[in-house]
Amino acid sequence: GAGVSQTPSNKVTEKGKYVELRCDPISGHTALYWYRQSLGQGPEFLIYFQGTGAADDSGLPNDRFFAVRPEGSVSTLKIQRTERGDSAVYLCASTPLPPRGYTFGSGTRLTVV
Amino acid sequence: QKEVEQNSGPLSVPEGAIASLNCTYSDRGSQSFFWYRQYSGKSPELIMSIYSNGDKEDGRFTAQLNKASQYVSLLIRDSQPSDSATYLCAVNSGGSSGSARQLTFGSGTQLTVLP
Repeated sequence: GAGVSQTPSNKVTEKGKYVELRCDPISGHTALYWYRQSLGQGPEFLIYFQGTGAADDSGLPNDRFFAVRPEGSVSTLKIQRTERGDSAVYLCASTPLPPRGYTFGSGTRLTVV
Repeated sequence: QKEVEQNSGPLSVPEGAIASLNCTYSDRGSQSFFWYRQYSGKSPELIMSIYSNGDKEDGRFTAQLNKASQYVSLLIRDSQPSDSATYLCAVNSGGSSGSARQLTFGSGTQLTVLP
């Protein structure tokens, strides 16, 4: 596609539920990143992929968070046993290699009630 | 100490003036530097990248980098009300400029251009 596509754009879930957030990067972009952004803060790194493998997952806050990119294109961020503190905008970005700055998707606003 | 620091503002300038946004970073090995603009409720949009010391100009925007001082700035000339947004400084720490390592973002500076 022309840009990075994220679905859903909004997700409201109950505390303790499982959610999946999807990211479809720009075609041909090898590197894919997940960030989350809380109000008034800059994006906070979660994980990035080069191809199919997670090259760096050091930003995942705990083992409730997991992400996959099985075919080196679409990625899914999975959050188990959601907590109210997980509420944020989850941003996906992609870039070709060598990187020339990220292109962000429009984000998924997750609200845990 | 935060890795990338920005004055949170808000910064207000009159229309037509120069807006100056500043950013400092802690990792001396940082190689790539970016400025993103984020309108309220929208995702960040890349507006400038800079990789070597000095100035880089693109239209009304000029990015300035001083690696010795670990300082990067963004100047916006002839500011317009449509420039009102939060400006995020982002740094790629470590590795070469070709590295896919993640960017570290500052908290952003909120800019308001008054008509």
